Amino acid sequence: SQQGEEDPQALSIQEGENATMNCSYKTSINNLQWYRQNSGRGLVHLILIRSNEREKHSGRLRVTLDTSKKSSSLLITASRAADTASYFCATAVSSTGFQKLVFGTGTRLLVSP
Amino acid sequence: DADVTQTPRNRITKTGKRIMLECSQTKGHDRMYWYRQDPGLGLRLIYYSFDVKDINKGEISDGYSVSRQAQAKFSLSLESAIPNQTALYFCATRSGRGTGELFFGEGSRLTVL
Repeated sequence: SQQGEEDPQALSIQEGENATMNCSYKTSINNLQWYRQNSGRGLVHLILIRSNEREKHSGRLRVTLDTSKKSSSLLITASRAADTASYFCATAVSSTGFQKLVFGTGTRLLVSP
Repeated sequence: DADVTQTPRNRITKTGKRIMLECSQTKGHDRMYWYRQDPGLGLRLIYYSFDVKDINKGEISDGYSVSRQAQAKFSLSLESAIPNQTALYFCATRSGRGTGELFFGEGSRLTVL
């Protein structure tokens, strides 16, 4: 079963608006990462937040993590058409001595000019 | 040049054929991964390798095999392809001493008829 589930599955906004995507997970994590995927391309790492952190910023990205609720959110401020992509959360969990990264199902973001 | 290179980028084959997808990296990372992406299912881990002599099964290894020919090369084989192996396949790398960020190739789209 998927560890991470993103919400919403799809989001359509206008340029300049903010986009918020949420990720919920089921088990304890070491860290949570967000990746971006342009259509049919490889995933690109955006930001990592550790389990003992609550908020992190990188440029127009703001990530929050609530371990008590097992959830995270990714906020993209002042969105641009170039932000159109799918966004995935990935949770780093420990399994038999190995830290594995489990990906969610993604949020498709469409930013219209 | 891309840091993580996958070949072929696209392949159409028939049921029962043997297929090999290749991955090479110039990042000097010790850890390499093969993921499969299907619509609505996110990315699922097929195999991973921590070094040339350490290869491990992921969550969906049945029907697949891998070879780590060198630290920089990790290939995925489908011994007898079947239609439900039609998917987008990604190779990824990570440094064992890094923060946990994965670096992805551009993907290999495989269609099994």
